[in-house]
Amino acid sequence: GAVVSQHPSRVICKSGTSVKIECRSLDFQATTMFWYRQFPKQSLMLMATSNEGSKATYEQGVEKDKFLINHASLTLSTLTVTSAHPEDSSFYICSARPRDTVWQPQHFGDGTRLSIL
Amino acid sequence: DQQVKQNSPSLSVQEGRISILNCDYTNSMFDYFLWYKKYPAEGPTFLISISSIKDKNEDGRFTVFLNKSAKHLSLHIVPSQPGDSAVYFCAATNFNKFYFGSGTKLNVKP
Repeated sequence: GAVVSQHPSRVICKSGTSVKIECRSLDFQATTMFWYRQFPKQSLMLMATSNEGSKATYEQGVEKDKFLINHASLTLSTLTVTSAHPEDSSFYICSARPRDTVWQPQHFGDGTRLSIL
Repeated sequence: DQQVKQNSPSLSVQEGRISILNCDYTNSMFDYFLWYKKYPAEGPTFLISISSIKDKNEDGRFTVFLNKSAKHLSLHIVPSQPGDSAVYFCAATNFNKFYFGSGTKLNVKP
């Protein structure tokens, strides 16, 4: 089945550090990747939609300058949390949707647990 | 404003019995509905889906039912197995964005 690799799985760092999270589709090409954030006991909240070769589309309330998204190729999207603070601590999950399909479910990475001290 | 809701945060079922997970949505424009299964420390895994033009889709032990008039869908697992213990998310999409419920933690007791 389709595999999405997300790296790193866990990050612990000091406040003010910038953290980059990678999302790769390993066996398919994805023109669209999604970045979600999940708080404890809450649903996955869509942060932004990452489109290959163009600017990401951010959801309302998500700071573009805070959460930088780059979708440089059909198999890689990155999320950079700039100058992270404790309130940015959360579980971040990416997903990818195979290209050239009428409809396909998203395939998820295993998530990144970000802890800002 | 949460467009997809799972009102039961947890469910406990005996092995061999039926598990029924429920989900409600508010947007009548959703075209497709999905269920994902999530184990701890892993990302969600796609389980089963249903188009808005259907009212039932079955795949092995898993069946999803859709009641459009009530804006309600449910996932039936029968017979339930201990390995089914996980968090189940329902999701709805208009082919542009996916909206997820908050999840139901299923515990299947041996």
